[in-house]
Amino acid sequence: EAQVTQNPRYLITVTGKKLTVTCSQNMNHEYMSWYRQDPGLGLRQIYYSMNVEVTDKGDVPEGYKVSRKEKRNFPLILESPSPNQTSLYFCASSLLVSKTVELFFGEGSMLTVL
Amino acid sequence: DAKTTQPNSMESNEEEPVHLPCNHSTISGTDYIHWYRQLPSQGPEYVIHGLTSNVNNRMASLAIAEDRKSSTLILHRATLRDAAVYYCILRDVRGSTLGRLYFGRGTQLTVWP
Repeated sequence: EAQVTQNPRYLITVTGKKLTVTCSQNMNHEYMSWYRQDPGLGLRQIYYSMNVEVTDKGDVPEGYKVSRKEKRNFPLILESPSPNQTSLYFCASSLLVSKTVELFFGEGSMLTVL
Repeated sequence: DAKTTQPNSMESNEEEPVHLPCNHSTISGTDYIHWYRQLPSQGPEYVIHGLTSNVNNRMASLAIAEDRKSSTLILHRATLRDAAVYYCILRDVRGSTLGRLYFGRGTQLTVWP
């Protein structure tokens, strides 16, 4: 089944404790992206990747890192999480950065930073 | 980055048509208009996209204004399962906007039985 898988789905952590949210897709997609969703603010893009070893900032990259060492994986790294990073995170992928292809989203990862 | 403007919320009764508007006055000639929806507790899912001509698929229809500065997603007969947040976005692959996508807040659609 074609899918985007995020882990963990739920996580409660404390300020400053490094964490990684993994994202994996099995569709051989070149393009992958991370979003955060906060009440009243909608979906905001954090980082995106055009292909292996190619990443770039979205609208809200501060406090996050990403890497794209393999085509299927695009982990989101919070080196020193803070409470303002408490949010619902979504990973998405698509075949090429094309104007006509659809994005596939994961089910989301709810992160709480105390 | 080209952005879109949508109403915060809309309501409809079940089995009635729903017209969800989107303004994109700064759209460029190469931007495609995409619509996604997000059901409760799920990630967004693709609905439809278009460039200039009106488009139909099994989920919805997309009506694009002649000047392309606005579009309307049409659900022909709303069901309770259509209650979701609907996002209108522009996709372009030129220059500095390559890969960047702006979803915004979307429109919360409530469907009453």
